[in-house]
Amino acid sequence: EAQVTQNPRYLITVTGKKLTVTCSQNMNHEYMSWYRQDPGLGLRQIYYSMNVEVTDKGDVPEGYKVSRKEKRNFPLILESPSPNQTSLYFCASSFKGHGRPSYNEQFFGPGTRLTVL
Amino acid sequence: LAKTTQPISMDSYEGQEVNITCSHNNIATNDYITWYQQFPSQGPRFIIQGYKTKVTNEVASLFIPADRKSSTLSLPRVSLSDTAVYYCLVGDPVYGGSQGNLIFGKGTKLSVKP
Repeated sequence: EAQVTQNPRYLITVTGKKLTVTCSQNMNHEYMSWYRQDPGLGLRQIYYSMNVEVTDKGDVPEGYKVSRKEKRNFPLILESPSPNQTSLYFCASSFKGHGRPSYNEQFFGPGTRLTVL
Repeated sequence: LAKTTQPISMDSYEGQEVNITCSHNNIATNDYITWYQQFPSQGPRFIIQGYKTKVTNEVASLFIPADRKSSTLSLPRVSLSDTAVYYCLVGDPVYGGSQGNLIFGKGTKLSVKP
């Protein structure tokens, strides 16, 4: 089954404790992206990757890191989480195709609900 | 990127056709219109995409008038399971914006009642 998986689905942590949220897709997509969703603010893009070893900042990259060492995986790293990073996080992927891949159908993961105390 | 305006919420009843209109007055020549659906605590799901006139798939229809300053997502005979937030996004897939990435706004919350 074609899917995007995220782990963990729920995480409660404390300020400053490094954490990683994993994202994996089995569709051989070149493009992967991370979003955060907050009440009243909609979905905002954090980072995206056009292919292996190619990453770029989205609209709200501060406090986050990503890496793309393999095509299928795109982990989101919070080196020193803070309470304002409490949010619902989504990973997404799409094929590259013609033009910008974000305009192709993006497949979203189930989400990771993060709480930073 | 063209700014979009959608109603914040809409109510409907099972079996009715629902039309959600999105305004994008400053849409550019190369912009495409894309709609996503999101259920609570789930990731958005692509519904449909179009450039002009009418596009139809197994889920919905997208109507785009000649001036392209608005678009209408049409959901035929909705059911309770269509209760979700619907996002209208506009952008140029080739040259749009600093990153050419779609921006998800606040969407339209559709509530379908029995």
